[in-house]
Amino acid sequence: GAGVSQTPSNKVTEKGKYVELRCDPISGHTALYWYRQSLGQGPEFLIYFQGTGAADDSGLPNDRFFAVRPEGSVSTLKIQRTERGDSAVYLCASSLRLAGADTQYFGPGTRLTVL
Amino acid sequence: AQSVTQPDIHITVSEGASLELRCNYSYGATPYLFWYVQSPGQGLQLLLKYFSGDTLVQGIKGFEAEFKRSQSSFNLRKPSVHWSDAAEYFCAVVLGGGYNKLIFGAGTRLAVHP
Repeated sequence: GAGVSQTPSNKVTEKGKYVELRCDPISGHTALYWYRQSLGQGPEFLIYFQGTGAADDSGLPNDRFFAVRPEGSVSTLKIQRTERGDSAVYLCASSLRLAGADTQYFGPGTRLTVL
Repeated sequence: AQSVTQPDIHITVSEGASLELRCNYSYGATPYLFWYVQSPGQGLQLLLKYFSGDTLVQGIKGFEAEFKRSQSSFNLRKPSVHWSDAAEYFCAVVLGGGYNKLIFGAGTRLAVHP
């Protein structure tokens, strides 16, 4: 079946602009995760959802970052007043359940460049 | 500090040689343990995972990993490397107990010489 998809694959924006990044999880997966990967580093956790609610948003760096999952499927990561330091690859993952041993399946990522 | 450590930033091996990538974690209890691979332009793909039972875990693409509680290690191995194994490898943990996020190491970049 289809894997996790993310759109756009690349996004170039100017400092101070607003961006939205979209994630379509694997059908039937109840848990959805967002990570951020800076150049030369491992992915870092941002937020995860169980259904429609954010179960843990402790990784969001500041209040410019916000994520929603209104119907428990597709999720959107929103970044306000983008800064050059926000440039990174944003990864989305989903798992069947919100359980530690469940495999998280990753999408290809959205590469965000803030000029 | 609690962390996942991959001591080798970059490893180069010859095709057909054996491979071992190191991973150590520093958490009080044994976490769930994972190895992911990331090829250029590709998403992260799970190679294998450990959460209980036999400490030697078999994964995809001929990889295996051994959990050693006494050393807080979960090293990844492959007996004979193929050129297509060139990629970045990430060790990761999930603490469990309601903390379900993956905590990744910094990664090891593997280059394979013909």
